[in-house]
Amino acid sequence: KNEVEQSPQNLTAQEGEFITINCSYSVGISALHWLQQHPGGGIVSLFMLSSGKKKHGRLIATINIQEKHSSLHITASHPRDSAVYICALYNAGNMLTFGGGTRLMVKP
Amino acid sequence: DTEVTQTPKHLVMGMTNKKSLKCEQHMGHRAMYWYKQKAKKPPELMFVYSYEKLSINESVPSRFSPECPNSSLLNLHLHALQPEDSALYLCASSQGQGTYTQYFGPGTRLTVL
Repeated sequence: KNEVEQSPQNLTAQEGEFITINCSYSVGISALHWLQQHPGGGIVSLFMLSSGKKKHGRLIATINIQEKHSSLHITASHPRDSAVYICALYNAGNMLTFGGGTRLMVKP
Repeated sequence: DTEVTQTPKHLVMGMTNKKSLKCEQHMGHRAMYWYKQKAKKPPELMFVYSYEKLSINESVPSRFSPECPNSSLLNLHLHALQPEDSALYLCASSQGQGTYTQYFGPGTRLTVL
């Protein structure tokens, strides 16, 4: 079983919809990264969090350490949000362990 | 400046060629990373440099040779690669080795013929 599981693997939404991407993990962590990767390949760090909730623009990330679960929400989704969203954990060695990614497509 | 730059963007090489990938950051970060990413897969860590010293080598074949000439630069020297080494090679940096935000470069897309 992977240490990091993301769901769904693929998601198609209509513009304006509220989107939730989930990340569950099975190990102790010091922090969790949400990353965005566009088709061109570059990866952008969206959030790093170790507790609670963070918000940046239309993006909200939450984490529940006790339940070993994090969510990334996108409000008022837009076609430019189409990308792969990756959850990555800082493990005991402080190295990133990546989830398999969620491929999001937002249609106009 | 929160940018990590990588050159070249694309590279095609034969199995007998020697080439180098370059990565640069001017954020004063003291940890730099090389990742390899195959299509539709998450990145895999290859090497970590911390304070210009190789800190982690994830059992990468010797045909990949990293170099950190100074705190801003990270190179990956390639020699005698195999077609299965074709992938996106991503560089990243962070303030230190640990629970710090990693900033990624745009990657070099490598094709080995």
